[in-house]
Amino acid sequence: DTAVSQTPKYLVTQMGNDKSIKCEQNLGHDTMYWYKQDSKKFLKIMFSYNNKELIINETVPNRFSPKSPDKAHLNLHINSLELGDSAVYFCASSQGGLAAQETQYFGPGTRLLVL
Amino acid sequence: RKEVEQDPGPFNVPEGATVAFNCTYSNSASQSFFWYRQDCRKEPKLLMSVYSSGNEDGRFTAQLNRASQYISLLIRDSKLSDSATYLCAVSLNTGNQFYFGTGTSLTVIP
Repeated sequence: DTAVSQTPKYLVTQMGNDKSIKCEQNLGHDTMYWYKQDSKKFLKIMFSYNNKELIINETVPNRFSPKSPDKAHLNLHINSLELGDSAVYFCASSQGGLAAQETQYFGPGTRLLVL
Repeated sequence: RKEVEQDPGPFNVPEGATVAFNCTYSNSASQSFFWYRQDCRKEPKLLMSVYSSGNEDGRFTAQLNRASQYISLLIRDSKLSDSATYLCAVSLNTGNQFYFGTGTSLTVIP
C-alpha cells in the first residue's frame, strides 16, 4: 500500500482555471505538508497542518487554499491558476507535531502545467 | 539570502570514487539536519539524519559543523545506483519551519 498518495499525478490546465490536488496518508501521522518544487528543483514548503490545524503558511498567495477534512487528508485548491504555478507539488507527512525532528514521507508528486 | 545553500553540481564521478557534498545554512538557531535523496522525477526520500557527533550508515557519513554552519555528506565507494540529487534540509524546531537546499546532482559513471 502506498504510504502517501496524491491525485492526480499530472495536471495540465489553462490559465485562470481552478484546480484541486488531493493527498492521503495511511501512516497514522499527525502532520501533513504541501511543498512546491519549481523548474530549478527548489523545494519550498507551502503549508503544514497538524491535526487538521494550519500551523504554517510560508507567504503563499491566497489563491492557494489547503483543506484538511481529517488528519489523513490534506487537499490543495488553487484558484485562478497562473503560468508561474507550473511546478511539481509534493504532499508529505510526519508523525508528530515537531516534524522538524522527524522524517517526512513524501507523496509521488503532482506535475502541474499551466498553459 | 536563502536559508540553505548547496552547490548544485553536477558532480560526475567514476564508480568506486569518494565524493563529498556540503550544505550551508544561514540561521544559527537551526536545530535539526537531514540529507534527502531525490531520484529523477521521483519524490525526496530521507537518506539520513545528521547528528551533532556525526553519524555513519554504511558507505554514507554525515557531519555537522555548528560553528561554521554547514553539514556534509560523504559517499565512499560510489555505486551507479547512487546517481541522484541529494538535498540537505534544516529546521528550526519551531512552527515546523523546514527548509531544503536546491540539491546537488550526482552521476556515477561506469
